[in-house]
Amino acid sequence: DAGITQSPRHKVTETGTPVTLRCHQTENHRYMYWYRQDPGHGLRLIHYSYGVKDTDKGEVSDGYSVSRSKTEDFLLTLESATSSQTSVYFCAISELGGPYEQYFGPGTRLTVT
Amino acid sequence: EDKVVQSPLSLVVHEGDTVTLNCSYEVTNFRSLLWYKQEKKAPTFLFMLTSSGIEKKSGRLSSILDKKELFSILNITATQTGDSAVYLCAVEGGNEKLTFGTGTRLTIIP
Repeated sequence: DAGITQSPRHKVTETGTPVTLRCHQTENHRYMYWYRQDPGHGLRLIHYSYGVKDTDKGEVSDGYSVSRSKTEDFLLTLESATSSQTSVYFCAISELGGPYEQYFGPGTRLTVT
Repeated sequence: EDKVVQSPLSLVVHEGDTVTLNCSYEVTNFRSLLWYKQEKKAPTFLFMLTSSGIEKKSGRLSSILDKKELFSILNITATQTGDSAVYLCAVEGGNEKLTFGTGTRLTIIP
């Protein structure tokens, strides 16, 4: 998990509450990504960032927002958590634009009750 | 919309067997195909392929890409129990985003 940490690693929250997940990297990589992983769906891109304050949407961005105020940190916020957002969330980083390989963080297991 | 389909969904073999995992794709402006291994944690990078016909090898694992027929295979020879994992295939299209398949769950019986 070379230089990528995620916090918290596990969280249980109630429907309607805001939740923020943090991804921190020490690799100084330009690109950062948030994915969710659910059974039967594989990894799906939520949002990504191609630089400080530069972000874009992925395929499942509804209900999520992101911010990147410095190179090393990428935050994912669920404004009002719903049960459908129960999932495992992975952060990934990449040094360059494509073609490239992405390296993943350890994941955050989020349960919304 | 980019699409990646992996087969089989799951596979159970005995230690020492050779396995072939398949990945077919549809993508706009193909740039690369990547293989990852996922045990009970984060996916770990195995290979990236960008050109047809060039086999990538790493020990007992190898992979090849066919850009004409739009598929890739991942071969594992002399399987070991440590190879048990979910193997993920992903493709990068012109939008610089990865689209993942749902994976093949490989189980190696001692």
